[in-house]
Parts: sequence; structure tokens; C-alpha cells
Amino acid sequence: SYVLTQPPSVSVAPGKTARITCGGNNIAGKTVHWYQQRPGQVPVLVIFFDSDRPSGIPERFSGSNSGDTATLTISGVEAGDEADYFCHVWDRSSDQQIFGGGTKLTVL
Amino acid sequence: QITLKESGPTLVKPTQTLTLTCTFSGFSLTTTGVGVGWVRQPPGKALEWLALIYWNDDKQYNSSLKNRLTVTKDTPTKQVVLRMTNVGPVDTATYYCVHSDRITDDAFDMWGQGTMVTVSS
Repeated sequence: SYVLTQPPSVSVAPGKTARITCGGNNIAGKTVHWYQQRPGQVPVLVIFFDSDRPSGIPERFSGSNSGDTATLTISGVEAGDEADYFCHVWDRSSDQQIFGGGTKLTVL
Repeated sequence: QITLKESGPTLVKPTQTLTLTCTFSGFSLTTTGVGVGWVRQPPGKALEWLALIYWNDDKQYNSSLKNRLTVTKDTPTKQVVLRMTNVGPVDTATYYCVHSDRITDDAFDMWGQGTMVTVSS
């Protein structure tokens, strides 16, 4: 079955850029979605279709997808961005929805 | 405005069947492409997708749990029901109901508040 691999943790200073990766075999051939889950809260979709932002999501959030790695980039990181981030794909070949293991973003 | 709300027992005994209901509003499960799914999250752990049911009654199940899961929809009452048989302590989790659409490759764009289910004797 298809596997998505995320680093367990990423740390970044306020105002800097955070990059959270999601690895998968030829993930560029799939569309990747990203969710933010602040502590004690419900997950929120922040990126869909690799790089599109739902309404209300700041432009600081962007996404890319190439080769075997998709990346969520958060520019000008703020304290409120501290959260767990999960990537998600629909694997058409197996008709399964797959989540990555999640990455905890710490704002130093 | 799309909303989803999960309901069901907070405590279930091992080997019992867990039945959860998602009641939604703001969209129709007869609209082409629309789906309602279930995602769970054990305490302190990652999200795990469970099942999805679509406008045309097609269903997807997590292959590792497929034999234990059944998802059904009741369009007039705007409800989707998930049944999980033979539960055990590993099924203790917060269970979320989600909205999806094939037009966005099933991005889960709206989530319910979640319901915490504990499996214990």
C-alpha cells in the first residue's frame, strides 16, 4: 500500500520560513492536501490540489509537489502556526485515502 | 455553510459494535462528486482514514479495517452512519466526520467537531 512519510518534527524561529515535507513514491503523480491541527483543535484544510489555498487561509501558506516529495511552506512563521501538520493523498490505484504520520511544527 | 456533527456512545465495551452517526447540513449527498467520510485519531497519534461514501452510493474502506466497517447514508435525514464491529482498546480515538468532493480529489474541506470514543470494559 502507498505510504506517506513526514518528519516527526520541524522547528523554526518566528518570522522565518518553515518547510514540511511529505515523501511518497512518485507523489508528483498524485494530488496532495495538507491539514493544520492546532493543539486540542479540529484539523483544518490549509492546502489542496498541491498548492491551492481554501478561502481564509493566509498567503503565507503554500505548497509544491515534485518527484517523490511534496512540501508545505509557511513563510513568516507566527506563534499561532505551532501545530501538527498532516499530508493526505487519494491513491487512485488502491482507492485508498492515505495520511502521512504528521509533523509537529514548533515555533522557537 | 457546511456543518457536520458526530454523535454516538462515548464508552463501548470490547467486542461490541460501535455505531456513529454524522448529521450534516449545508450540502446534499445527492450532488455529483460529494462524499462524507470518517477519520479517527487515537490520543496523541496521527490521523487515520476509515471510510467514505459518495453521492452515488460508492463506498471506500480502509483496507486494513475493511472487514469491520460498514458505512451507509440516509439522504432525506442528511445522515451518514459508520458501524465498526468487534472493537478493542486500540479503537479508542476521536472520530471525525468529514466532507469531501471529487472535484478537489477528495480534500477533506470541512470537519465535524469530533467525538471521543473509549473502548474499555
